[in-house]
Amino acid sequence: GENVEQHPSTLSVQEGDSAVIKCTYSDSASNYFPWYKQELGKRPQLIIDIRSNVGEKKDQRIAVTLNKTAKHFSLHITETQPEDSAVYFCAASKNQGGKLIFGQGTELSVKP
Amino acid sequence: ETGVTQTPRHLVMGMTNKKSLKCEQHLGHNAMYWYKQSAKKPLELMFVYNFKEQTENNSVPSRFSPECPNSSHLFLHLHTLQPEDSALYLCASSQGSGTTGNTIYFGEGSWLTVV
Repeated sequence: GENVEQHPSTLSVQEGDSAVIKCTYSDSASNYFPWYKQELGKRPQLIIDIRSNVGEKKDQRIAVTLNKTAKHFSLHITETQPEDSAVYFCAASKNQGGKLIFGQGTELSVKP
Repeated sequence: ETGVTQTPRHLVMGMTNKKSLKCEQHLGHNAMYWYKQSAKKPLELMFVYNFKEQTENNSVPSRFSPECPNSSHLFLHLHTLQPEDSALYLCASSQGSGTTGNTIYFGEGSWLTVV
């Protein structure tokens, strides 16, 4: 079955710096890659996603890149702010399965 | 945001108790899921239901028993749990299997403590 590896497990940056979180997946049939943000005590919420027919997607300060050949995808957050502090999860799925397999999570801390 | 609602939000139960977690989605979705989230661990998929039918059981112990009476409701029946089962149990829903870009929406979760 699908396996998703996420790195780093913790990341600390200064406010205004960029943060990058990387994930690799094992199943070449996976074609949908969402990223979720989970603030302390709250539910995971979708922040951005990418499908396998594109290589990059941006939404304001957030961007995701996908390399299908290498089977890895990354989340980029620019101009980080303290409110970006949370745990971020990457995930992968296939159309037919529908289920999402999550990475281990990255605890991002943005220091003011 | 009330797309996926879970009750109770907090539950403390003894190892010999029987309790149930309830989930309801108001998004018109056809797939529902139970995930377990333990401290310092990733989100672990437990069960998947598509159109009320269970399509995945991720080797979950039988002390966890799911029930999906319709596409909008999902239960997780708990009995003779162990302390290591203490975790946040997240319900989620999505459009359904076979849909491109299967965005999953989570409920707020039920914090379970087994004593």
